[in-house]
Amino acid sequence: QKEVEQDPGPLSVPEGAIVSLNCTYSNSAFQYFMWYRQYSRKGPELLMYTYSSGNKEDGRFTAQVDKSSKYISLFIRDSQPSDSATYLCAMTKGAQKLVFGQGTRLTINP
Amino acid sequence: DVKVTQSSRYLVKRTGEKVFLECVQDMDHENMFWYRQDPGLGLRLIYFSYDVKMKEKGDIPEGYSVSREKKERFSLILESASTNQTSMYLCASSLPDRSNTGELFFGEGSRLTVL
Repeated sequence: QKEVEQDPGPLSVPEGAIVSLNCTYSNSAFQYFMWYRQYSRKGPELLMYTYSSGNKEDGRFTAQVDKSSKYISLFIRDSQPSDSATYLCAMTKGAQKLVFGQGTRLTINP
Repeated sequence: DVKVTQSSRYLVKRTGEKVFLECVQDMDHENMFWYRQDPGLGLRLIYFSYDVKMKEKGDIPEGYSVSREKKERFSLILESASTNQTSMYLCASSLPDRSNTGELFFGEGSRLTVL
């Protein structure tokens, strides 16, 4: 069993829809949770960062962490075609070594 | 602006060839990493380095080696390329643990095809 599980998709939704992306994990020691966005033929870039449990909002993006269920989510409101990308969850215990999910490929259709 | 530069975006090599992938960062970061990215497998850590001349194995180091002679440069070496090393290779850098949230800064990737 992988430490971090993420549905690879692909996920295709119409413009304006609410998108929900999720990851589950098995290691209860993880404390720092991140979402990276990767456009085609580019490297990943940090989108959202959360420490421990709770919610964090940044514009149309909301990251949620539920440590009791070992489950993290990224919500995108009013999705735009420019949000089309691969979204990778990542987490760490606090040292440098991030553990990544497989990535979910998302397409927003105009 | 933060910059991680990978020297080659696309390479095609033959089985058995020696391959060098170069990465340079201009942020004075102590930590540097090499990942490979494959469909359905996500990013897997090959090697990382916390300082000049230091290196540590990641999750999949077999068939690879690294070199870090200068702080800004981290090289990945495939001594004898094989077809199962066809992949996207991503270099990243970050601040040291004491001041780091875990954010990695990635280059744009080097897509290697081994024939």
